[in-house]
Amino acid sequence: DTGVSQNPRHKITKRGQNVTFRCDPISEHNRLYWYRQTLGQGPEFLTYFQNEAQLEKSRLLSDRFSAERPKGSFSTLEIQRTEQGDSAMYLCASSWGSSYNEQFFGPGTRLTVL
Amino acid sequence: ELKVEQNPLFLSMQEGKNYTIYCNYSTTSDRLYWYRQDPGKSLESLFVLLSNGAVKQEGRLMASLDTKARLSTLHITAAVHDLSATYFCAVDATQGGSEKLVFGKGTKLTVNP
Repeated sequence: DTGVSQNPRHKITKRGQNVTFRCDPISEHNRLYWYRQTLGQGPEFLTYFQNEAQLEKSRLLSDRFSAERPKGSFSTLEIQRTEQGDSAMYLCASSWGSSYNEQFFGPGTRLTVL
Repeated sequence: ELKVEQNPLFLSMQEGKNYTIYCNYSTTSDRLYWYRQDPGKSLESLFVLLSNGAVKQEGRLMASLDTKARLSTLHITAAVHDLSATYFCAVDATQGGSEKLVFGKGTKLTVNP
């Protein structure tokens, strides 16, 4: 399967714990995006990378959120000191970055903070 | 800041009927996308609309884009149960200096026998 993959698919954690999610984009895609989706809403942009450079992170929800893409391939999203309000689906997408810029989404990681 | 509005947010229709979902956006953009999401699943790309007047069709779904009116429509023809899902439009915010997509809240479509 050559689509976008995300791990884990589900994560349950206690408030105050740190969590890390991984995204593996489609191999030839140079752009990688993170979105958050809460129930009944559309995905909300968090940050994106072109290769290993993080070009926009203004939408990361607080300084508890950070993302990396160290070698321009997979990416990780970390949430420190989780809060119940962080419970959501975290979606990763990738694109080739052409004028078409169609983004292909992974299956998501559903986070539940107790 | 770019805002995207979809209507209706909920749509219940009978099989065989036609309907249109509307997507309005607030600032200039020339790229608009339609996605489908089934419950508990991720987003599946349906259409990419790149220019004013673009029209794309796949099966019973047809999407169009009017960049001057800042409006896209997703038309459903002779609906069938398998089309039940949530449909999102997303607008590329590149002209505002960002590469992100801004999504509408989605239209939850239920097709009844």
